[in-house]
Amino acid sequence: AQRVTQPEKLLSVFKGAPVELKCNYSYSGSPELFWYVQYSRQRLQLLLRHISRESIKGFTADLNKGETSFHLKKPFAQEEDSAMYYCALRGGTSYGKLTFGQGTILTVHP
Amino acid sequence: DTGVSQDPRHKITKRGQNVTFRCDPISEHNRLYWYRQTLGQGPEFLTYFQNEAQLEKSRLLSDRFSAERPKGSFSTLEIQRTEQGDSAMYLCASSSGDRAYEQYFGPGTRLTVT
Repeated sequence: AQRVTQPEKLLSVFKGAPVELKCNYSYSGSPELFWYVQYSRQRLQLLLRHISRESIKGFTADLNKGETSFHLKKPFAQEEDSAMYYCALRGGTSYGKLTFGQGTILTVHP
Repeated sequence: DTGVSQDPRHKITKRGQNVTFRCDPISEHNRLYWYRQTLGQGPEFLTYFQNEAQLEKSRLLSDRFSAERPKGSFSTLEIQRTEQGDSAMYLCASSSGDRAYEQYFGPGTRLTVT
C-alpha cells in the first residue's frame, strides 16, 4: 500500500520568512514524488517533481529515502505563494496514478 | 481554452438518481484519470484509461460507478443510484504517454446528493 501524509493542514508565515511544508510517504518500492499546487480559483497543477531536482518559483524539495520524506522548502516566502499544496506519490507499477496527501493550506501574510 | 474541460461544473441530484459527468482531455493526451475529492482531503484515484482501455480501477469504484472512454478521446463517469456519500468533487486529469508524471487537471464537477 502507498500512503502520503502531510501533517499540517494549515501553515501561516510572514512575507520574507522561510517556509517548509512537510510530506512523509510510505511505499515499499522506489516512488516518484511530486508537489502539486492549487491557487485560489485555479486548477490543480504540477509544481515540481523530485527527479528533476529543479527549483520552481523558488521552491525546492529533496527526497530523503531514509526518512521517507519529501519536504517542500522556500527560503523567502511571497504573498503569491499562498495556496493549497499537495504532496503526491506515484508507484512504479501504478500506470501513473497519483496518491495524494491531505494537503496543506499555506498563507503568507504581508 | 485547450485545457481539460469537465461538464457539468455543478450537479445537484436527489438520492437514488443516476448522474453522468463528462471529461474532455487535452487533445493529444492518451492517458485519462478520474479522481474524487471530499472536503479536507486530497484527490483519491478512481480509475485510469490509456486510449480507450480502462487499465486500472480503485476499490473505491463500487459497482454503482462506471467509466468509459469509447473512442479514446472524451470520457464519461456515471454514478447509479446515488447516495449522500457520493457528494464530492470529481476531478478529471490527462497526460501524455512520455510525460505521464505531469497530469493536467480539469476544473472538476461538484456533485451534491440531497
